[in-house]
Amino acid sequence: QVQLVQSGGEVRKPGASVKVSCKPSGYTFINYGINWVRQAPGQGLEWMGWINPYNGNSYEAQSLQGRLFMTTEASTTTAYLELRSLRFDDTAIYYCARDFRQFMLHPYGMDVWGQGTTVIVSS
Amino acid sequence: HSALTQPASVSGSPGQTITISCGGSDNDVGAYNYVSWYQQQPGKAPKFMIYDVNKRPSGVSSRFSGAKSGNTASLTISGLQPDDEGDYFCSSYTTSSTFVFGGGTRLTVL
Repeated sequence: QVQLVQSGGEVRKPGASVKVSCKPSGYTFINYGINWVRQAPGQGLEWMGWINPYNGNSYEAQSLQGRLFMTTEASTTTAYLELRSLRFDDTAIYYCARDFRQFMLHPYGMDVWGQGTTVIVSS
Repeated sequence: HSALTQPASVSGSPGQTITISCGGSDNDVGAYNYVSWYQQQPGKAPKFMIYDVNKRPSGVSSRFSGAKSGNTASLTISGLQPDDEGDYFCSSYTTSSTFVFGGGTRLTVL
């Protein structure tokens, strides 16, 4: 079945970077966009960005531009999110989620989610 | 884009019908029929419940339905069940080629 498995939790100091991986299985990796969504403790969902694994095109939330970098690696069928210059309010659970429809040129809707990766920013 | 506007909480008794609203703008909800809804239960990842305003993915109960009028979307749950408790989030594609979620609505089944 389709599943997305994420890397384990991380603790970082303010100003550092963190890289989270997301390894999908059960479908053709390059056919579906990957979204990144985060959820701060007790808060709602925040869409961070989307990447097309076929050609690397991406869209990011304006609030994260310059700090958020999304990549994919076709050889290992893995997606990565890197967030730089971490701040205390970046503490959250980070989810990767697959787009519902194949071959879309933009984020569309997320049908399968990873288990989440907890990132804690603490001095 | 600002978050879409949802009521913080709604409640209903088993068997009742509730509706959760999702207010947007001409640049998101009103611009496309790409509204989707997610259910999140404590400690779990969100679950995909509705897409394209009113379509249900395979496996989602027909008790869940979606609609849209202008810049406002809505999710209706009929025949409320205790297992429906949780947080519900609406979302939409935007004219900036980004995606935006609502602030979330906590559903309590009394």
